[in-house]
Amino acid sequence: DQQVKQNSPSLSVQEGRISILNCDYTNSMFDYFLWYKKYPAEGPTFLISISSIKDKNEDGRFTVFLNKSAKHLSLHIVPSQPGDSAVYFCAASERVGGADGLTFGKGTHLIIQP
Amino acid sequence: SAVISQKPSRDICQRGTSLTIQCQVDSQVTMMFWYRQQPGQSLTLIATANQGSEATYESGFVIDKFPISRPNLTFSTLTVSNMSPEDSSIYLCSVVLGSDEQFFGPGTRLTVL
Repeated sequence: DQQVKQNSPSLSVQEGRISILNCDYTNSMFDYFLWYKKYPAEGPTFLISISSIKDKNEDGRFTVFLNKSAKHLSLHIVPSQPGDSAVYFCAASERVGGADGLTFGKGTHLIIQP
Repeated sequence: SAVISQKPSRDICQRGTSLTIQCQVDSQVTMMFWYRQQPGQSLTLIATANQGSEATYESGFVIDKFPISRPNLTFSTLTVSNMSPEDSSIYLCSVVLGSDEQFFGPGTRLTVL
């Protein structure tokens, strides 16, 4: 059973607009959430994280929102740029920090249209 | 961040054979992990590579199939034993640095015929 779900396999967004990627989880023990970006033939690259004591974390064009009661998080990218085209993975852990292995969703392929 | 390299980057193997994948980091790290990503699937944690002791395997993964070595704080190997086509995946190592986030190697793309 998938504990981390990304229900949109792909998303197409116009350059300059906002990209919103969604992630749902079922394990209430998850306490730490991360987003990774992956280009073909490369390993995932860490983007941004959030712990359950916060509901928002921002880093430049990237903002992650966490709704713990709904077991839902989202990644907002604004403005979207062509270089943002990649597969985005949502991941979760029961502990803050990286001491535990991560549970990943299946990813969302973001395509930025010029 | 750290520079993480994996060898080989890709390989095509015959069923019944074994392949050893190497992961090298350019700095000492405490935590190292091995994941696999089967086609169309998410990354799945195989095991935590412990330095100086046996690896800790996740449910569904066993040492006989995926033996792991971690002789020091910068290096680890994962062996995929007695391979079958179902083992065709991307295998990735990851490390934890001081910032606590996991950083991933480039991956090894394995195809088993």
